[in-house]
Amino acid sequence: EAGVAQSPRYKIIEKRQSVAFWCNPISGHATLYWYQQILGQGPKLLIQFQNNGVVDDSQLPKDRFSAERLKGVDSTLKIQPAKLEDSAVYLCASSSNRDTQYFGPGTRLTVL
Amino acid sequence: QKEVEQDPGPLSVPEGAIVSLNCTYSNSAFQYFMWYRQYSRKGPELLMYTYSSGNKEDGRFTAQVDKSSKYISLFIRDSQPSDSATYLCAMILNTDKLIFGTGTRLQVFP
Repeated sequence: EAGVAQSPRYKIIEKRQSVAFWCNPISGHATLYWYQQILGQGPKLLIQFQNNGVVDDSQLPKDRFSAERLKGVDSTLKIQPAKLEDSAVYLCASSSNRDTQYFGPGTRLTVL
Repeated sequence: QKEVEQDPGPLSVPEGAIVSLNCTYSNSAFQYFMWYRQYSRKGPELLMYTYSSGNKEDGRFTAQVDKSSKYISLFIRDSQPSDSATYLCAMILNTDKLIFGTGTRLQVFP
């Protein structure tokens, strides 16, 4: 069974630029999560989708972050404009029936 | 006060040692407790999952939960260099929202 796929693996941008990350969950998993993991910290949930609907986006900085999950499969997380403090690893996870969460390898973002 | 507190380490032990990793939490409503292992440049992977006080064993790993003290532990017996990773505790309320600790970096040297 293929795991959660994410791309790109690494991204370096300058502040005020925009960036997008892509996630392909495990086949059949209805729930998809985006986490932000700052160096030296645990992952923090940004947004949770159930199929193509948002369940929880209470910690998503909506003035600059957006996410979508069209057709209830792949998802894209966008940051526009990026700030220095957005430097982190962005992790995507998926689960079936909101059970065990399986994580992808993450996208490491560096904002200069 | 953070909801979940975890010593970031690093913790360095010789191969074969017993490792003890710990977390404390403040919200007595947490119902489910997990330990994730995260290798460098990888995503977290689930190691252990418990929902009650007491011990749960899986091979060299034992997870312990003490709800009265709001304290959870992960013990690793006969530690191996391949166990070198960051160990994250995580907890769930009555939804599936995971609240993670900061992670403890473990180094097992030969």
